[in-house]
Amino acid sequence: ILNVEQSPQSLHVQEGDSTNFTCSFPSSNFYALHWYRWETAKSPEALFVMTLNGDEKKKGRISATLNTKEGYSYLYIKGSQPEDSATYLCASKDQTGGGNKLTFGTGTQLKVEL
Amino acid sequence: GAGVSQSPRYKVAKRGQDVALRCDPISGHVSLFWYQQALGQGPEFLTYFQNEAQLDKSGLPSDRFFAERPEGSVSTLKIQRTQQEDSAVYLCASSLRADSGIHTGELFFGEGSRLTVL
Repeated sequence: ILNVEQSPQSLHVQEGDSTNFTCSFPSSNFYALHWYRWETAKSPEALFVMTLNGDEKKKGRISATLNTKEGYSYLYIKGSQPEDSATYLCASKDQTGGGNKLTFGTGTQLKVEL
Repeated sequence: GAGVSQSPRYKVAKRGQDVALRCDPISGHVSLFWYQQALGQGPEFLTYFQNEAQLDKSGLPSDRFFAERPEGSVSTLKIQRTQQEDSAVYLCASSLRADSGIHTGELFFGEGSRLTVL
């Protein structure tokens, strides 16, 4: 059974600050790592899907890195804006399950204040 | 619509009542998933369909939970004799195919159905 952990649990930053959060996951049988952003009253939205060790992906001010050997991923937000306020979920898929079954962490709740 | 649609968005049930939650996935998406998110927790896998076939139901917490997708599109999650511990947000997600291959494998989620059992 996978155990995905995220830290911190919540984070308050000022507009313009850069921030980062951590996702750790079991490295054995790793297949893929997903990041989702979940704004209040909306549906979770995919940010990144990463599979290769050392992979780095970027979407606007948001980027993510992946270390499959040690089992962690970082999500970075540069110059945080109020619209970045959301819960950020990571989820891991291993090679033993079928389909796209993902194991989620509990999320990092980000609040960006003016 | 273009996205995953879930209904009802909110449901209040008395303990012992049966409920049915509906998911309308993105047209053409082969895979459909149900997740349960209890307060303060991350989403937890319940069950997975590939077209009409339920390939994995290992996450269903008890035999009171039942899911179906008879024609390979709309899915219904049914909870019989609801208990207070069933209170959660139930998320449905769809994706293009079972294994990522050349696809990203990302899930497209609905907004969820929030169930409160009194």
